[in-house]
Amino acid sequence: GAVVSQHPSWVICKSGTSVKIECRSLDFQATTMFWYRQFPKQSLMLMATSNEGSKATYEQGVEKDKFLINHASLTLSTLTVTSAHPEDSSFYICSASLAGGLRDEQFFGPGTRLTVL
Amino acid sequence: QKEVEQDPGPLSVPEGAIVSLNCTYSNSAFQYFMWYRQYSRKGPELLMYTYSSGNKEDGRFTAQVDKSSKYISLFIRDSQPSDSATYLCAMKGTGGFKTIFGAGTRLFVKA
Repeated sequence: GAVVSQHPSWVICKSGTSVKIECRSLDFQATTMFWYRQFPKQSLMLMATSNEGSKATYEQGVEKDKFLINHASLTLSTLTVTSAHPEDSSFYICSASLAGGLRDEQFFGPGTRLTVL
Repeated sequence: QKEVEQDPGPLSVPEGAIVSLNCTYSNSAFQYFMWYRQYSRKGPELLMYTYSSGNKEDGRFTAQVDKSSKYISLFIRDSQPSDSATYLCAMKGTGGFKTIFGAGTRLFVKA
């Protein structure tokens, strides 16, 4: 149980285009989803936290107009990188949490590797 | 000072060795402590989850938390080549959802 999927697993796009990444919780309802980015040999950097049906909370320094997050249902959150540039190339990972209870454990997706040419 | 400090390694050990991975932290409000394993180009997977101080064992893995020293450890016994991965410590306080991750330690277990 507690499987999180991401699509696509990798994407290459031209500079200036927009890319949408989907994050799905397959066998549980996730009231909270998180989006991270990870540069090579570096740790996870939280970008934003999204709760179903409400606006995402962005971390300091993350442009909300560039990284659009939608959490339309309890099983799906999307991250859209708008007008992507080469510096946006990174590994984007989502995680999902079932809020409540003692643990609030996060289950991670397999990640999406974005390369912007 | 970072909230969580973790030596990025790499750490290289022979097969069968006992591996010790560690993190220190500065925020005394942290109550939940986790260890994740991340294979190359994959998302992290949860290995161990502990609350407050103490030890927790699961198979070849043992997690230790010393809140007085703000120090957590993960021990891997009888290490295997398949344990080669990056290990990330993570921790969070109560009441909020923000988890803070360490930089991750790259582990190589040589056959």
